[in-house]
Amino acid sequence: SQTIHQWPATLVQPVGSPLSLECTVEGTSNPNLYWYRQAAGRGLQLLFYSVGIGQISSEVPQNLSASRPQDRQFILSSKKLLLSDSGFYLCAWTRGGPTTEAFFGQGTRLTVV
Amino acid sequence: GESVGLHLPTLSVQEGDNSIINCAYSNSASDYFIWYKQESGKGPQFIIDIRSNMDKRQGQRVTVLLNKTVKHLSLQIAATQPGDSAVYFCAVGDSGAGSYQLTFGKGTKLSVIP
Repeated sequence: SQTIHQWPATLVQPVGSPLSLECTVEGTSNPNLYWYRQAAGRGLQLLFYSVGIGQISSEVPQNLSASRPQDRQFILSSKKLLLSDSGFYLCAWTRGGPTTEAFFGQGTRLTVV
Repeated sequence: GESVGLHLPTLSVQEGDNSIINCAYSNSASDYFIWYKQESGKGPQFIIDIRSNMDKRQGQRVTVLLNKTVKHLSLQIAATQPGDSAVYFCAVGDSGAGSYQLTFGKGTKLSVIP
């Protein structure tokens, strides 16, 4: 069966510090991978998605970047965090091809102080 | 682009009653619809999905109804239990657009009164 792992679960970082959130998927190959941010009381905002190794599409220009160094690994990064980067970050995967069910990780609660 | 909205941000129901959560979408070409449940501090969990060639699909205690004419989607939960308390999202996809992403609604918070 397929599983998705996302860590850490919570993170408190000072303004200006770097960020690295990691997500890995097991039990499938060539998944589409996604990073979402969820603000309180709002829907999921798609930040990045990737359809293959080294292929990253950015949906919202901002202080964050994403990388996919391996088929089942997706990393969300920042060189210098802003207060506005605080939020709940979710990694997700779907099977390749047209839109299908998205499977989510457990999320990372990031607080920038 | 697609926009997805839920009719009510919060819903309170008595334990044992049925719950109905509604969702509207704007893109008539949308052909894939999902309902997710999200408990506090956790990632969304898949509940049930439906494709546009159907208008009803049933799962365990849940039913999704799709009305393509008015672009409306609903989730019905039978005999609501305290464990059903969570935020429920609908998500909509358009496979014909070649898109790799779903559009999510903002969520309805369901509170079950014991």
